[in-house]
Amino acid sequence: EPEVTQTPSHQVTQMGQEVILRCVPISNHLYFYWYRQILGQKVEFLVSFYNNEISEKSEIFDDQFSVERPDGSNFTLKIRSTKLEDSAMYFCASGVKGDSYNEQFFGPGTRLTVL
Amino acid sequence: KQEVTQIPAALSVPEGENLVLNCSFTDSAIYNLQWFRQDPGKGLTSLLLIQSSQREQTSGRLNASLDKSSGRSTLYIAASQPGDSATYLCALVHNNDMRFGAGTRLTVKP
Repeated sequence: EPEVTQTPSHQVTQMGQEVILRCVPISNHLYFYWYRQILGQKVEFLVSFYNNEISEKSEIFDDQFSVERPDGSNFTLKIRSTKLEDSAMYFCASGVKGDSYNEQFFGPGTRLTVL
Repeated sequence: KQEVTQIPAALSVPEGENLVLNCSFTDSAIYNLQWFRQDPGKGLTSLLLIQSSQREQTSGRLNASLDKSSGRSTLYIAASQPGDSATYLCALVHNNDMRFGAGTRLTVKP
């Protein structure tokens, strides 16, 4: 059964460094998402992406974040200058959508630790 | 802004018991509602999805209901097993995003 994959499973970085989190969505999906979950807190929406552009973003998704679909298969989240508070589990999702239907399939997550 | 609340925050039951997890939400203009399971330190496993026009969905020992008019959903687990121990998340899906509750941490004791 097709699934969303994410790499790496765990990333450790120094504060101020740039990180790129990678996701391979399910191949026939057109809608892509990033979420994060700080330890012990709710899963929070970051951004949705369709037709090579951001369709919606939350207040968390500020100028230090960017997303890209560089080659038609990967979907990446870049954090330009990491802060300690960016430490979290980051989930990628891809999905299908209809007039009244929006189903998302989640990857296993990347645990980001900022030191 | 959609607010999603899950009650109780934690629940401990003996094996074999039937149980109900609750989810309430403030904005009924949703596409669908999904229930997920999350094991400690792991990703999200989708359990059930209820479209906005549906009232309930069933999968095995799980049954989820949706009442948009009252802003409530329930997840019913029949004949609970120790392997059901996990955190259960309710999520409301809008046009371009998904809003999660904080989850109910379920422990099923042998």
